[in-house]
Amino acid sequence: EPEVTQTPSHQVTQMGQEVILRCVPISNHLYFYWYRQILGQKVEFLVSFYNNEISEKSEIFDDQFSVERPDGSNFTLKIRSTKLEDSAMYFCASIRELNTEAFFGQGTRLTVV
Amino acid sequence: SQQGEEDPQALSIQEGENATMNCSYKTSINNLQWYRQNSGRGLVHLILIRSNEREKHSGRLRVTLDTSKKSSSLLITASRAADTASYFCATESNSGYSTLTFGKGTMLLVSP
Repeated sequence: EPEVTQTPSHQVTQMGQEVILRCVPISNHLYFYWYRQILGQKVEFLVSFYNNEISEKSEIFDDQFSVERPDGSNFTLKIRSTKLEDSAMYFCASIRELNTEAFFGQGTRLTVV
Repeated sequence: SQQGEEDPQALSIQEGENATMNCSYKTSINNLQWYRQNSGRGLVHLILIRSNEREKHSGRLRVTLDTSKKSSSLLITASRAADTASYFCATESNSGYSTLTFGKGTMLLVSP
């Protein structure tokens, strides 16, 4: 069964450093997303991406964040200068078309120290 | 209450019993989805119910949707210890790009 894959599974970084989280969505999917879950809290939407551009973003997704689909398979989330409060589990998701089920990756646990 | 809010927050049952979790939401939706998350792991999609559907089944799962009350329920029948996890509802609004709004989840503990 096709799945969304994310790397790395766990990343530890120093405050102020840049991190890139990587995702490979399901190959025939068209819409891509990043969500995050701070420990003990609910999953929050960050950004959606369609047709090579951001289609929607939340208040969390400020200028420190960016997304890119550099080739036909990868979808990345970059945090330019990490803060302690960026520590969370980051999930990538994809869907084939609107109003269908979203498939999530296993997540990347980001720890900022 | 917030969009996609589940209750109860925690539920503890014995194997073989049924577990019912509820979700309420505020805005108009295209669909409502239920996910399971084992501790610290990824989100596993369980079932999607569209706004024009009232009930859906998948194996031991039964989901209902009442759009007039803006609520949904997830029933797990004949629960197993392996069902122990957190369960989240997520709503997709009818505006935008299928962004999901998650609730805080119900932690289900099934004891052998």
